[in-house]
Amino acid sequence: AQSVAQPEDQVNVAEGNPLTVKCTYSVSGNPYLFWYVQYPNRGLQFLLKYITGDNLVKGSYGFEAEFNKSQTSFHLKKPSALVSDSALYFCAVRDKVEYGNKLVFGAGTILRVKS
Amino acid sequence: KAGVTQTPRYLIKTRGQQVTLSCSPISGHRSVSWYQQTPGQGLQFLFEYFSETQRNKGNFPGRFSGRQFSNSRSEMNVSTLELGDSALYLCASSSRTSGGSYQETQYFGPGTRLLVL
Repeated sequence: AQSVAQPEDQVNVAEGNPLTVKCTYSVSGNPYLFWYVQYPNRGLQFLLKYITGDNLVKGSYGFEAEFNKSQTSFHLKKPSALVSDSALYFCAVRDKVEYGNKLVFGAGTILRVKS
Repeated sequence: KAGVTQTPRYLIKTRGQQVTLSCSPISGHRSVSWYQQTPGQGLQFLFEYFSETQRNKGNFPGRFSGRQFSNSRSEMNVSTLELGDSALYLCASSSRTSGGSYQETQYFGPGTRLLVL
């Protein structure tokens, strides 16, 4: 079965420093990978996705993610963190084609950016 | 375009009752998926509807059901509520077509927070 792992429950970073939120995946076939962010008492906001093409994917709010097939990773990055980036981040993979639109999510990583 | 809307936003029920949650997708989107979010189990897929047909179902008991109307609006129903059904229920819509390649992004609504007492 398709799966994703987010090895860090929480990531702490100082404002202005680069941030990385890690995600590794396990899929059969082509991976369709997504990052979402959730603010308190809100739904999920789409950040970016990797379908095919360039390994560096650029998304919303200055975020980008690097797809690495050999390491089966899809880490989320931002060059300069903002306090307002503090939130819960989810990596997700589209399940097998026969399962339609089903997304399989990682457990989530809390990002705390301190001023 | 307006985003995905869900009603109600908050709901308190007691064990044994049933509840119906509503989701209106982004205009033009025909695929609606439902997810349950809990602290213990994380985000779990409930089911997907496309063109008024359930296309896929997650590993949830039969107490959880849904439907989709001709205007793509969707409802989910939970019967005989249990304490463990307390969760944030999220709806997502996408522009997937019947022959879609499943690359389409799912856009989520704000969720309905259900508390079962």
